[in-house]
Amino acid sequence: KQEVTQIPAALSVPEGENLVLNCSFTDSAIYNLQWFRQDPGKGLTSLLLIQSSQREQTSGRLNASLDKSSGRSTLYIAASQPGDSATYLCAVGTGANNLFFGTGTRLTVIP
Amino acid sequence: GAVVSQHPSWVICKSGTSVKIECRSLDFQATTMFWYRQFPKQSLMLMATSNEGSKATYEQGVEKDKFLINHASLTLSTLTVTSAHPEDSSFYICSYHPPGYNYGYTFGSGTRLTVV
Repeated sequence: KQEVTQIPAALSVPEGENLVLNCSFTDSAIYNLQWFRQDPGKGLTSLLLIQSSQREQTSGRLNASLDKSSGRSTLYIAASQPGDSATYLCAVGTGANNLFFGTGTRLTVIP
Repeated sequence: GAVVSQHPSWVICKSGTSVKIECRSLDFQATTMFWYRQFPKQSLMLMATSNEGSKATYEQGVEKDKFLINHASLTLSTLTVTSAHPEDSSFYICSYHPPGYNYGYTFGSGTRLTVV
């Protein structure tokens, strides 16, 4: 069974810092990997989707990489802002009908 | 992109009562919707897959008689928590995955259920 781990569980950084969130998964036979943002008590907002054939995706200040063979993905956030404070979830798609989630990294950006 | 509308956003109910959560697809027809549950500080776990016009598929360990899923139309899927107990208190969220692997999942805004 696919297991997804996110490290660290929580992270606090001062505003303006660049930071990296890590995600690892045990089974490299994936279709895609998706990064989400979740604000407290809210639903999930999709940030980036990386197909299994891709190495990275970028959107604004966000860059996600995927190394399928080693079972790792990173989410890089440049020039962090207080509005980036949220829980970041990575999820691995192993087929059309299932998504395996990590437990998330709770990010706090201090003004 | 696909938009999924979920409500209520939060609900408090007494033990033994039933609660219905609705998920509507606003700009697409969803033959399949996915229902997840998230306990505090835990991952989202897939509970069941609802299929329009047919029975839902439940994940192992999820009681189908307790979590009733109805997907009677291409734009509406509902999850009813029957005879709710405090241990059912959780965050429930629905999701849609457009056909093909080029698209990611779109999630509803979630429902915080508290059973007292």
